[in-house]
Formats: sequence, C-alpha cells, structure tokens
Amino acid sequence: AAGVIQSPRHLIKEKRETATLKCYPIPRHDTVYWYQQGPGQDPQFLISFYEKMQSDKGSIPDRFSAQQFSDYHSELNMSSLELGDSALYFCASSSLGQGDNSPLHFGNGTRLTVT
Amino acid sequence: AQSVAQPEDQVNVAEGNPLTVKCTYSVSGNPYLFWYVQYPNRGLQFLLKYITGDNLVKGSYGFEAEFNKSQTSFHLKKPSALVSDSALYFCAVRTDSWGKLQFGAGTQVVVTP
Repeated sequence: AAGVIQSPRHLIKEKRETATLKCYPIPRHDTVYWYQQGPGQDPQFLISFYEKMQSDKGSIPDRFSAQQFSDYHSELNMSSLELGDSALYFCASSSLGQGDNSPLHFGNGTRLTVT
Repeated sequence: AQSVAQPEDQVNVAEGNPLTVKCTYSVSGNPYLFWYVQYPNRGLQFLLKYITGDNLVKGSYGFEAEFNKSQTSFHLKKPSALVSDSALYFCAVRTDSWGKLQFGAGTQVVVTP
C-alpha cells in the first residue's frame, strides 16, 4: 500500500539558511499534518491542512511557513535556520473527510541538521 | 486540555514474557486514544486505536490495548514479547476535530533474548 512520502530524507544546512521539506500524502487523504521531533522528544505538532486550507496551528515559529498544493502535496518552508531547528520533521496524512476516527499515517521523516 | 502520560521511560522484558506499556489519559468528553511505535530514524507506525465500543482493542503485530475508564488508562499489551518489539512506543490522544494528536513522552521498550 502507498505510504506517506517525504523528501529529502536528510538535509544539512547552515545557520540562517533556508530549507524546504516536501510531503506527499497517501492518495485520497485530505489532511496533512507536520510534526517536529527533537532528540529524545515526543513529536510536537506544527501545522495541519484540510483540503488545501490551513486547519490547525501549533507551536510553529514565525520563521516557518507551510502550504498544501492542488495535488495535495505539502511543503514546509523554514527560513533563518537556527541550531535548535535540528530535528526530525514528520509529515502525516489522514482521511478526515471519511470520519473523525481515521488514524494519522506518518512518513519516515526528514532529518534536518543545522550547523 | 487533552493529554496523555506515559509514566515509564523504559520497560525491560525478556523475550517470551508479557509486555505492558502504560498510558493514562486526561480528556474532557470521550477519549480517542492511539498507540504508535517508532523504530530508530523511522516514522511512527500506527498500532491501534480506541474510539468507542469494546474495552479490549486488538491491533497490529499481536498488540492489544485495554481501555479502562475508571482508571483513565489505556495500557498497551502483548502476551509474548519478541526481540523485534524493541522500539519506542507512544500513546496519543486526539485533541480536536481536525485530527491533531497529542503524544505522550514515549516509552522505550527493550526486549532481551
């Protein structure tokens, strides 16, 4: 079965640079979520989109932005990178429109290292 | 606010023995509870969920969880642990109608041969 695809798997950037993370949800899933997981931490919710509109917002820094495109893929844009942004970034998708019991399906994440 | 707590940072068990990973929840209204497993440098894999109905929920890879309303708990269980079950386990609660999950701190499970 198709899963959530994230790219790139690994990304190394320097401080103050910009990074773009991509997420391709499971086909026919209408909702995308972004999470950040620091070393030894639980995943923290950043932002979500339902049918290409922002649906919820968590602890996402103002330096970060995201959007969902017409083909339902999503991108997380991160600017003015800081050392503390080094983390695993996960994308998840679900089919919220089919009922509110749908679990989130996660991609394998992008490991961002800021040097 | 909806939240879950995992009281154990790590659980050690010998292969073949029963495995239990604890989770307690604090919610207003009906709880939507989930268990996920994470292997190193991998995403979270869905194991099972409780929405309503039977208190014993069966999931993937032989795992099950017992929902206990009086104790506000949702413990994950496996009758006979395998070495390959060694991983990080997260309990999670759905916090709103948009499907967002709030995760517990995670419990590292170590299964020794």
